Amino acid sequence: EAGVAQSPRYKIIEKRQSVAFWCNPISGHATLYWYQQILGQGPKLLIQFQNNGVVDDSQLPKDRFSAERLKGVDSTLKIQPAKLEDSAVYLCASSSLGPTDTQYFGPGTRLTVL
Amino acid sequence: RKEVEQDPGPFNVPEGATVAFNCTYSNSASQSFFWYRQDCRKEPKLLMSVYSSGNEDGRFTAQLNRASQYISLLIRDSKLSDSATYLCVVNGGGSYIPTFGRGTSLIVHP
Repeated sequence: EAGVAQSPRYKIIEKRQSVAFWCNPISGHATLYWYQQILGQGPKLLIQFQNNGVVDDSQLPKDRFSAERLKGVDSTLKIQPAKLEDSAVYLCASSSLGPTDTQYFGPGTRLTVL
Repeated sequence: RKEVEQDPGPFNVPEGATVAFNCTYSNSASQSFFWYRQDCRKEPKLLMSVYSSGNEDGRFTAQLNRASQYISLLIRDSKLSDSATYLCVVNGGGSYIPTFGRGTSLIVHP
C-alpha cells in the first residue's frame, strides 16, 4: 500500500514570497491533516479535512495560509506571503476515519524562509 | 497550562535500562490517546494506542490514568534503536482535534 506522498521535500524562499505544498493521502482515507512542526516542538495542527469539508482550521493563520482539498482526495497548502517564522516542516497525514484512528504521515516538506 | 505537556528530556539511559515517560493533558473529556515515535528528520509513526485498560506490545507498555489525566509509556530493556523522540497525542473533548505534545527525547547509549 502506497503511503502519504508530499512534494516538494525541500523549499527555500525569501520572505514575502509565496509557496505551495502538495499532499496525496493514502487511498480511501477520508481524513487529511496539515501540521506545522517547528524545530524542537511537536506537530501543530493547521487544518483538518473530512473528505472535502473542513473540520477544523482554528489554528490556521488565515491572513496568509490557505488550504483546499478538491474532490476529497489530494490537498494543497499555500502560504502567501511567507514570513521568517514560517520556517518549519509541513507534515501531511491521513487517517481512515478520523482522529481516533491511526494517522499516517508523509515525509514532510522542509521550508526555509530567508 | 498547555493542553498536552511532556518533559522534553533528553533522557539518557544505558542499553538494557527501563525508562518511563509521562504525558499530561488538560481536557478531562479527551477520549483517545496515542504514542508516536519520531526519528531525527523523519515523520512521526504510530508506536501504540493507549487504552483505558492499558496495553503492552513487546517491550513497550502504555497506560492511561484518567483520574490524574496522564498517559505513560514504559520501555523495558532499552535498545540503541529506541533512541528517538516520543510524542503523545490526545484527541477528543468535544472537538476531536488531535493535539501533540512537544515530545520527549530518548538517547540510549552503549
